[in-house]
Amino acid sequence: QQQVKQSPQSLIVQKGGIPIINCAYENTAFDYFPWYQQFPGKGPALLIAIRPDVSEKKEGRFTISFNKSAKQFSLHIMDSQPGDSATYFCAASHQGAQKLVFGQGTRLTINP
Amino acid sequence: DAGVIQSPRHEVTEMGQEVTLRCKPISGHNSLFWYRQTMMRGLELLIYFNNNVPIDDSGMPEDRFSAKMPNASFSTLKIQPSEPRDSAVYFCASSLVSATGAFFGQGTRLTVV
Repeated sequence: QQQVKQSPQSLIVQKGGIPIINCAYENTAFDYFPWYQQFPGKGPALLIAIRPDVSEKKEGRFTISFNKSAKQFSLHIMDSQPGDSATYFCAASHQGAQKLVFGQGTRLTINP
Repeated sequence: DAGVIQSPRHEVTEMGQEVTLRCKPISGHNSLFWYRQTMMRGLELLIYFNNNVPIDDSGMPEDRFSAKMPNASFSTLKIQPSEPRDSAVYFCASSLVSATGAFFGQGTRLTVV
């Protein structure tokens, strides 16, 4: 019940395309859903986060879509750029930012 | 702000040796987390502290692992004795208990040979 399942494991998109990464969870107590971006040799960096009281959140080119009834959420990257190539992790927690449970990660490659 | 600072960045040690990883959280943050990242298991939470007190250590794999937070600006993760299967990248992260978003350090890449 503590798992967060993420797909796909890897994704290759052409520059300008819209990669979509999906996550699903079981624990209905989760109330905070962040996405992290990790470049090689670096720590994960918080990208964008959403709470279950809204269905969508946009920050720049990054959008989270949230479906509470389906217990799913996804990350969309508009107008993707080669610099967006990284590993993306979804996560979930309850009690605020405490005890994040991470998905397995998606390695995204944006081809020029 | 310098962010979360971890040391060393890389550590190579022989099996059976004691290893100590260090972390300085962001000033003012009162929650601190230790994560381990491997290809097989992804990012796993090992332990976290609130206001220097360990809250949940259920992710600590074995008694060989221990973590301390003697004050608000310093934490250690110790492995004694180390084993090859402990090889991983260990991350420290910090946040405010009352806020959202945990900030990660650069990690320590541990190799046990």
